[in-house]
Amino acid sequence: EPEVTQTPSHQVTQMGQEVILRCVPISNHLYFYWYRQILGQKVEFLVSFYNNEISEKSEIFDDQFSVERPDGSNFTLKIRSTKLEDSAMYFCASRRTGWAYGYTFGSGTRLTVV
Amino acid sequence: DAKTTQPNSMESNEEEPVHLPCNHSTISGTDYIHWYRQLPSQGPEYVIHGLTSNVNNRMASLAIAEDRKSSTLILHRATLRDAAVYYCILRDGYNNNDMRFGAGTRLTVKP
Repeated sequence: EPEVTQTPSHQVTQMGQEVILRCVPISNHLYFYWYRQILGQKVEFLVSFYNNEISEKSEIFDDQFSVERPDGSNFTLKIRSTKLEDSAMYFCASRRTGWAYGYTFGSGTRLTVV
Repeated sequence: DAKTTQPNSMESNEEEPVHLPCNHSTISGTDYIHWYRQLPSQGPEYVIHGLTSNVNNRMASLAIAEDRKSSTLILHRATLRDAAVYYCILRDGYNNNDMRFGAGTRLTVKP
């Protein structure tokens, strides 16, 4: 079964550093998403992306965050200057066009900011 | 997004059916009812979704009340692997808005 692949699985970074989290969505999916989950809390929506532009973003997704689809396969989330409170699991998801299909999530990247 | 209400936690015995309830009294006519689950240390996983009619797939069944103000996810024979947090989420099919998770129901399966 096709999978959404996320790398790295775990990243440790110093506060103030930039990080890029990478995702390879399923090849025939056109909608892409980033979510995050702080330890012990609920899964929070960050941003959705379609047709090479952001469709919707939450209040969490401020100027420190950006997304990009640099080529035909990768979808990245960049955090420009990480803060301690950015420590969380970050999940990428994708879906096909149409209401018959659900989201497929990756296994996540655990980001630890120290 | 229309809100959903789920119990915080439920317990089940292995190999018995499980009925996970969800209330969504403010559901609109274009809201689809989605269920996802999150196994420990994993990303959310799609389970099932429906609009008005009951739905079945290899993972579960979804029973939707006639007035659509509530729904029930049915796991026909719980296994230890079904221990997870189950999320009931409404998505507006007309506006194509994005999916927001609540706290879900934590299902514990006892051997």
